[in-house]
Amino acid sequence: EPEVTQTPSHQVTQMGQEVILRCVPISNHLYFYWYRQILGQKVEFLVSFYNNEISEKSEIFDDQFSVERPDGSNFTLKIRSTKLEDSAMYFCASRRGPGLAGDTYEQYFGPGTRLTVT
Amino acid sequence: AQSVTQPDIHITVSEGASLELRCNYSYGATPYLFWYVQSPGQGLQLLLKYFSGDTLVQGIKGFEAEFKRSQSSFNLRKPSVHWSDAAEYFCAVGAQAAGNKLTFGGGTRVLVKP
Repeated sequence: EPEVTQTPSHQVTQMGQEVILRCVPISNHLYFYWYRQILGQKVEFLVSFYNNEISEKSEIFDDQFSVERPDGSNFTLKIRSTKLEDSAMYFCASRRGPGLAGDTYEQYFGPGTRLTVT
Repeated sequence: AQSVTQPDIHITVSEGASLELRCNYSYGATPYLFWYVQSPGQGLQLLLKYFSGDTLVQGIKGFEAEFKRSQSSFNLRKPSVHWSDAAEYFCAVGAQAAGNKLTFGGGTRVLVKP
């Protein structure tokens, strides 16, 4: 069964450094998402991406964050200058696409990347 | 704005006993509702979803949930719990806008006693 994959599984970085989290969505999906889960807290929406542009973003997704689909398979989240409070589990998700055959609005989640900022 | 409340942070249940996890949502229109399960160190796996139609939905692993519009609830149930059901369970509501971002509840951690 197709699945969303994420790399790395764990990333440790120093405050102020740039990090790129990578995701490979399911191949025929068109909608992509990033969520994060700070330890002990709820899963929070960051951004959705469709047709090579941001569809919606939360107030968490400030200028320090950016997303990109650099090729036909990868979807990345970049944090330009990490802060301690960026430490969290970051989940990528993908969805078939609005109005397309087989779109059940279900978002398929990857296993997550645990980001630790020291 | 959409929101989800899961009133129970922790639930302990004996193996073989029934389980019910509560979820209340706030959304201005007919919601898309989901239950996800997260085992330790794992991602989020969809258990079941509701979009429309029959308000009692069946999911994987023997779970079911009932949508009650009048109570703004979408409670998850399982008649007989197995030790492997120990995990964290998240209720989520999805917007009907094209982006369909999910808003999650705080989660309920289920512990299964032998």
